[in-house]
Amino acid sequence: IAGITQAPTSQILAAGRRMTLRCTQDMRHNAMYWYRQDLGLGLRLIHYSNTAGTTGKGEVPDGYSVSRANTDDFPLTLASAVPSQTSVYFCASSDASGGASNEQFFGPGTRLTVL
Amino acid sequence: GQNIDQPTEMTATEGAIVQINCTYQTSGFNGLFWYQQHAGEAPTFLSYNVLDGLEEKGRFSSFLSRSKGYSYLLLKELQMKDSASYLCAVKDSNYQLIWGAGTKLIIKP
Repeated sequence: IAGITQAPTSQILAAGRRMTLRCTQDMRHNAMYWYRQDLGLGLRLIHYSNTAGTTGKGEVPDGYSVSRANTDDFPLTLASAVPSQTSVYFCASSDASGGASNEQFFGPGTRLTVL
Repeated sequence: GQNIDQPTEMTATEGAIVQINCTYQTSGFNGLFWYQQHAGEAPTFLSYNVLDGLEEKGRFSSFLSRSKGYSYLLLKELQMKDSASYLCAVKDSNYQLIWGAGTKLIIKP
């Protein structure tokens, strides 16, 4: 693999179900991020991780959890999905060691529909 | 609060020049990014500005005025493939990106 991969590509989920969105990068980036993108709104940060073993809350963390057991993987879990979590989810990574100028690289996204 | 403003939609003609503006109010400033996002795809990096002035990269240029909280992305010699959304984002005092809602650019032949 090259870059960032996300799985699944899309998913329809019943409300109340648990769901894990997967994200894997092979660029050895230390920082990883989860965003949601909704029509008419900017990308909103859900959770982030500056390095393996640490995570932090973003702008909209409620209803979501993450873990960062190693450098490459950063799964996002919805413990009990609700319709307001219907969105496109993007995972991103960056080499934060270089300072503020390092851009974020994005995965292809997961389109999630909660009914 | 933190806020990034950019026009919702713009239309331009193939071969022409278009300027997409972005104004921001954020807690701290550690640089401004422009990304391009084609429909149904992921955002991809275009430019980064941290000092005032113009950064040129081929057909695309980006300008920053920190005192005015203002940036623009200039696209020259427009091509049909430039039809996309253009996202402005500011890195705040916590080194997190604050994103604008994006400007959808429509290119007409």
